[in-house]
Amino acid sequence: DQQVKQNSPSLSVQEGRISILNCDYTNSMFDYFLWYKKYPAEGPTFLISISSIKDKNEDGRFTVFLNKSAKHLSLHIVPSQPGDSAVYFCAATYTGANSKLTFGKGITLSVRP
Amino acid sequence: NAGVTQTPKFQVLKTGQSMTLQCAQDMNHEYMSWYRQDPGMGLRLIHYSVGAGITDQGEVPNGYNVSRSTTEDFPLRLLSAAPSQTSVYFCASTPGTAAYGYTFGSGTRLTVV
Repeated sequence: DQQVKQNSPSLSVQEGRISILNCDYTNSMFDYFLWYKKYPAEGPTFLISISSIKDKNEDGRFTVFLNKSAKHLSLHIVPSQPGDSAVYFCAATYTGANSKLTFGKGITLSVRP
Repeated sequence: NAGVTQTPKFQVLKTGQSMTLQCAQDMNHEYMSWYRQDPGMGLRLIHYSVGAGITDQGEVPNGYNVSRSTTEDFPLRLLSAAPSQTSVYFCASTPGTAAYGYTFGSGTRLTVV
């Protein structure tokens, strides 16, 4: 049973427009959510996170929104840049999980110049 | 500051052979983990450690062993390689909570023939 779901495998947007990457989860125990970005032949890099006590967290061009009642979170990138083209993983954990992360399958974002 | 270092970067094994994937971090992080990435599967946790001398199983531990004799090193051993273990392996570390975001190594691409 997949606890973190990224149902859209890919997304293509025009440079300068908004990219919205979605993530759903099923485990009600999850109370901390993270987004990672991965370029080919490199390890994932931490992008942004959000605690379940918040519904929004912003860092520059990146904003993560959390809707606990819907068990849904989304990553907004505004404006999108060609260098944002990568695979984005949503991950979740919970207090007491010893920081174990559960990852989604990832979304491949392509930003067209 | 090297971060998380994984060796080797590439490896080809024959079925039945054994090998050790090395992982070292120089950030004095307590928590370390091993993940594997397969196409369409995202990142799946193999084994993790919350400190020297303490290890535990993740989601897909079969066929792998780990040990944590020092804070810095967390090697992953394949006991008898199988084609199903063909994957990209990532080692990651965090100071003690996922809130800091894991730091990942650049990965080991393993092919078992």
